[in-house]
Amino acid sequence: AQSVTQLDSHVSVSEGTPVLLRCNYSSSYSPSLFWYVQHPNKGLQLLLKYTSAATLVKGINGFEAEFKKSETSFHLTKPSAHMSDAAEYFCVVSRIRGTSYGKLTFGQGTILTVHP
Amino acid sequence: EAGVAQSPRYKIIEKRQSVAFWCNPISGHATLYWYQQILGQGPKLLIQFQNNGVVDDSQLPKDRFSAERLKGVDSTLKIQPAKLEDSAVYLCASSSQRGDRRDEKLFFGSGTQLSVL
Repeated sequence: AQSVTQLDSHVSVSEGTPVLLRCNYSSSYSPSLFWYVQHPNKGLQLLLKYTSAATLVKGINGFEAEFKKSETSFHLTKPSAHMSDAAEYFCVVSRIRGTSYGKLTFGQGTILTVHP
Repeated sequence: EAGVAQSPRYKIIEKRQSVAFWCNPISGHATLYWYQQILGQGPKLLIQFQNNGVVDDSQLPKDRFSAERLKGVDSTLKIQPAKLEDSAVYLCASSSQRGDRRDEKLFFGSGTQLSVL
């Protein structure tokens, strides 16, 4: 079975400072991992995904994540936060190897607040 | 391109009533998913369709939930009768892939927010 644990339910940063959202995963197989962002009243948007290629994955809007197998982690980072980054972020693992990478298991979410 | 369309945006009903949600995926997308997102939690998969066939409904509470995708395009999710714990946002997602590729990308709709009183 696959699962993800987001270590912080809320993260608050100042605009222009770095962002770190932490995620640990558990998977019986080599996982596909994702970060999604959800702005209020909007659909979930894919930020980036890891699918066993490069361990450092670059996504949209300046976000990146590093897959660390030894630590079973997939933390999301951004060098400098922008006010528009305020949203809820979900770490996600695909459920099943080989069939249906759309069967996603979501973490509980981390709400990111950005202060001026 | 047009995104995944869902309606209604909001729905308020009393317990034991019935409700239906509609989803129109991105044109040409063969795979369609319904997810349930309870407040404070991440979305949970309810059912997956491939064209007009059900691929996985193992997490769908079949005693009260049903879903169909008769022509392999739009889909309807129904709850009958609703319970208080069904209050959630119901998200529809679609993908152009068959679901067995690592490069699959899901596109999510904005969801239908259901409140059961």
